[in-house]
Amino acid sequence: NAGVTQTPKFQVLKTGQSMTLQCAQDMNHEYMSWYRQDPGMGLRLIHYSVGAGITDQGEVPNGYNVSRSTTEDFPLRLLSAAPSQTSVYFCASIMTRGTGELFFGEGSRLTVL
Amino acid sequence: GNSVTQMEGPVTLSEEAFLTINCTYTATGYPSLFWYVQYPGEGLQLLLKATKADDKGSNKGFEATYRKETTSFHLEKGSVQVSDSAVYFCALSVAQGGSEKLVFGKGTKLTVNP
Repeated sequence: NAGVTQTPKFQVLKTGQSMTLQCAQDMNHEYMSWYRQDPGMGLRLIHYSVGAGITDQGEVPNGYNVSRSTTEDFPLRLLSAAPSQTSVYFCASIMTRGTGELFFGEGSRLTVL
Repeated sequence: GNSVTQMEGPVTLSEEAFLTINCTYTATGYPSLFWYVQYPGEGLQLLLKATKADDKGSNKGFEATYRKETTSFHLEKGSVQVSDSAVYFCALSVAQGGSEKLVFGKGTKLTVNP
């Protein structure tokens, strides 16, 4: 039972580089989301998706793109990394909408130099 | 708007001590309230929840009661263990159309010493 799997767990980028954080879930959850966690800031919602082919912006979407071609996968793309994007990123999915019961991945720690 | 305020950490306790982590909220509508826990090196996991006023959520010896009159959802445990050392997040969810947006507090780091 894998749950929510994120890769990579650690990544170092230089300013201006691009990369994709991968997220996959094997629970057939329709809703998936990306959060970033910064010290003293809690978690902030970047983007979310209510199903394949449907995505929407969260609280802090600038600098990030997402797509949802399948129910299982929800990658987060950084097109041109900036030091302000240094953070820990969490992917989360939910089984039943309206319950607030998110299942989180283990996180991806990104450092942008 | 919706927001969550929880007590600043870090909190350091000795084993078997009583724990309270305060959480208050502001919300439009009728939120559901949650406590999530993040153990070192892991993602968040749901600890307990309450969906309406006066509900008590409980799990692993932790409890929290949804108090509408004081807009609070304080986390308590009667006797903490070293294994409870983690960061605790209070959160709320208000249904908004198709989204499932949770609003999190900033987190409170708890360290329990033997």
